[in-house]
Amino acid sequence: DGGITQSPKYLFRKEGQNVTLSCEQNLNHDAMYWYRQDPGQGLRLIYYSQIVNDFQKGDIAEGYSVSREKKESFPLTVTSAQKNPTAFYLCAAGGQGSQPQHFGDGTRLSIL
Amino acid sequence: QKEVEQNSGPLSVPEGAIASLNCTYSDRGSQSFFWYRQYSGKSPELIMFIYSNGDKEDGRFTAQLNKASQYVSLLIRDSQPSDSATYLCAVTPPSGYALNFGKGTSLLVTP
Repeated sequence: DGGITQSPKYLFRKEGQNVTLSCEQNLNHDAMYWYRQDPGQGLRLIYYSQIVNDFQKGDIAEGYSVSREKKESFPLTVTSAQKNPTAFYLCAAGGQGSQPQHFGDGTRLSIL
Repeated sequence: QKEVEQNSGPLSVPEGAIASLNCTYSDRGSQSFFWYRQYSGKSPELIMFIYSNGDKEDGRFTAQLNKASQYVSLLIRDSQPSDSATYLCAVTPPSGYALNFGKGTSLLVTP
């Protein structure tokens, strides 16, 4: 199946713990993105990557980290420095030039 | 300041009516405009995109863009209960990357 795969679907974080959210795409897009969505809110950009081994901070990067070692993969780590991590996390790919972005199914992160 | 504004709603329309969703944006150099539909608990799904001034139709959906007024809208004809969702307006900034999203308009189509 073609598309963007996020895992896990649900994730629970303990106090002081780092957790990593996976995002894989087989659409051959150069650009990938991570967004956070809180209830009743729009999407806020955490990080984006236009090409392998390169990424830029978005509007709310504090407490998060990413890597882009392969074109297909863009994992997001939510560190213990992120004090309010409970949210719906969405990975997207595409969007270069005038092209639209497409989203994975999302990961819902909660604090234990 | 990059802002995309939408009325949060809820917008309630009867089944079969036309639903009109509106969006304004602040960055005059914005390039491309997208409408995403998001059902509760699900991820956004692209339904329309428009790049040039005027109307673009796709089935029951029509996107309208007026760059002079910095305004984009989505019309849904013959609204169905299955259209009930939150509709997100998204705009590509002049840099050409990472979309700016509005907070979305909640649409409720009543039988």
